[in-house]
Amino acid sequence: EIVLTQSPGTLSLSPGEAASLSCRASRSVSSNYLAWYQQRPGQAPKLLIYHASSRATGIPDRFSGSGSGTDFTLSISRLEPEDFAVYFCQQYGSSPRTFGQGTKLEIK
Amino acid sequence: QVHLVESGGGLVKPGGSLRLSCEASGFTFNDYYMSWIRQAPGKGLEWVAFISNSIDYANYADSVKGRFTISRDNANNSLYLHMNNLRPEDTAVYYCARDKSYDLYFDYWGQGSLVTVSS
Repeated sequence: EIVLTQSPGTLSLSPGEAASLSCRASRSVSSNYLAWYQQRPGQAPKLLIYHASSRATGIPDRFSGSGSGTDFTLSISRLEPEDFAVYFCQQYGSSPRTFGQGTKLEIK
Repeated sequence: QVHLVESGGGLVKPGGSLRLSCEASGFTFNDYYMSWIRQAPGKGLEWVAFISNSIDYANYADSVKGRFTISRDNANNSLYLHMNNLRPEDTAVYYCARDKSYDLYFDYWGQGSLVTVSS
């Protein structure tokens, strides 16, 4: 199975700053089938990005995804207070579908 | 809007059984594949099982194969996870989620139901 490694484990930033979260795959993700989810404390994960760079319905354009092959990035251009959460990547290019261990974005 | 509500979690002894339910609303349930995904305390997410919309295909993670069974009742917009021979390592919040399509990403998730396996 494909192992996804997210870095950093924790990212401390201030509102208004830009964030860059990394997701690295143990082998190439077929068709760049990679998604990103946001999970706020006590809430269910929420789909942000699919197919590596397509924003899900209703997701603000300050969220963007990029990358291909084994290296993917979630960028948040101007952090809002509600953006401080845990972010997971997930690959669906091969079975079984797998997730990264998450990056916690916390307020500095 | 899409709503998924899990129920049935609780405390169970090792070797015991439990059935989780997920009630769906806000979409045509029998048009979609559905999955169960779990999250152990302080850990990441693990896909557990999925079932086709027509109930003719299901697939499981190796960690639960032979012990868990996913099922659905399209007439009642409900998804189930039957869990047998539970182990302490099955302790997790279990989420039901809607598959965008076969073996793709998950576009909607429920709030989750906590299962604790402990003596």
